[in-house]
Amino acid sequence: ETGVTQSPTHLIKTRGQQVTLRCSSQSGHNTVSWYQQALGQGPQFIFQYYREEENGRGNFPPRFSGLQFPNYSSELNVNALELDDSALYLCASSFGGANGYTFGSGTRLTVV
Amino acid sequence: QKEVEQDPGPLSVPEGAIVSLNCTYSNSAFQYFMWYRQYSRKGPELLMYTYSSGNKEDGRFTAQVDKSSKYISLFIRDSQPSDSATYLCAMSGAGNQFYFGTGTSLTVIP
Repeated sequence: ETGVTQSPTHLIKTRGQQVTLRCSSQSGHNTVSWYQQALGQGPQFIFQYYREEENGRGNFPPRFSGLQFPNYSSELNVNALELDDSALYLCASSFGGANGYTFGSGTRLTVV
Repeated sequence: QKEVEQDPGPLSVPEGAIVSLNCTYSNSAFQYFMWYRQYSRKGPELLMYTYSSGNKEDGRFTAQVDKSSKYISLFIRDSQPSDSATYLCAMSGAGNQFYFGTGTSLTVIP
């Protein structure tokens, strides 16, 4: 299987709810990063996982959390959703090296 | 001050024109420089990757990095309607975090 797959593609949640987004890494990739892309903005780094351990975190509050599984798939969890969490959430997997990242098509989250 | 500054455009050019896209940055620790193309409703796709200063050419695309000026550029020659997309610059240092520009929206008119 090639490419990075994210699910769901679209999601609508109510403020205060919790959400889980999923990412299936490209075959052979052991590193996964999550990014938040607000409308009209560039992606912002949330965190990265390498071999199931968090390996770096951007300027996001603790209500953003993640997991990486032994098969290198990953989840992004967001608790206590706020209206400003509405964005495209991108997953990128890599085997290492800045030029080795492959992005998925993202999950568009709308918080109402 | 943002880590990376990029003119959001929009930029509209006729088919066949040369397109110049630019970003400036403030962090002198950046050493990896990328350009991504993002079509509507899709994730970013890596176009060009450059390590440190210099030029890199790939077909119709040329990336330039001037670390002394903290300035990077992407040139697209003989632009095609299929080049219409948002172009994002991205950069990183020794760490694992990419810093992206806001993206420049490009439309190539047939």
